[in-house]
Amino acid sequence: KQEVTQIPAALSVPEGENLVLNCSFTDSAIYNLQWFRQDPGKGLTSLLLIQSSQREQTSGRLNASLDKSSGRSTLYIAASQPGDSATYLCAVGGGADGLTFGKGTHLIIQP
Amino acid sequence: GAVVSQHPSRVICKSGTSVKIECRSLDFQATTMFWYRQFPKKSLMLMATSNEGSKATYEQGVEKDKFLINHASLTLSTLTVTSAHPEDSSFYICSGDFSYNEQFFGPGTRLTVL
Repeated sequence: KQEVTQIPAALSVPEGENLVLNCSFTDSAIYNLQWFRQDPGKGLTSLLLIQSSQREQTSGRLNASLDKSSGRSTLYIAASQPGDSATYLCAVGGGADGLTFGKGTHLIIQP
Repeated sequence: GAVVSQHPSRVICKSGTSVKIECRSLDFQATTMFWYRQFPKKSLMLMATSNEGSKATYEQGVEKDKFLINHASLTLSTLTVTSAHPEDSSFYICSGDFSYNEQFFGPGTRLTVL
């Protein structure tokens, strides 16, 4: 059974810092890996999708990497802003099996 | 990206009643739709997978007679919570997938059972 772990569970940093969120998964047989953002009481906003054959994806200040063989992914956020405050979820799987989510990293960017 | 809608966004009901939640893919045909549940301060857990025209596949521990899923067309899936109880109060989110690729999520439905 796939298990996804996200570290740290919570993070609070001053505005402007670069930061890294970590995600690890136990079964490397995945179609893809997705990073999402969830604001309190809201649904999911898809940030980045990495196919199993890819190593990284970039969107604006966000960069996600994937090392499928070691079961790891990182989400890099450059020049953090207060508006980046949210819970960040990592999910793996895809295909016919749905996604397995981590418990998330609760991020607070201090103004 | 593709758009998925859910209705209602929020529902409050009395214990023992049934609640239907609709999930629609607005601009694509979803070969497969997934239903997830999120308890407060917990992550999302997959409940079931539905394919158009066939019975849903439920994850271990999810009661199929309690959570009825119907995927009548390539753009509509419904989740009915039958005889809802307070412990069913949760945030329910659906997603659609048309190519075994990226899943597109609806905005979620918050169910509160009194």
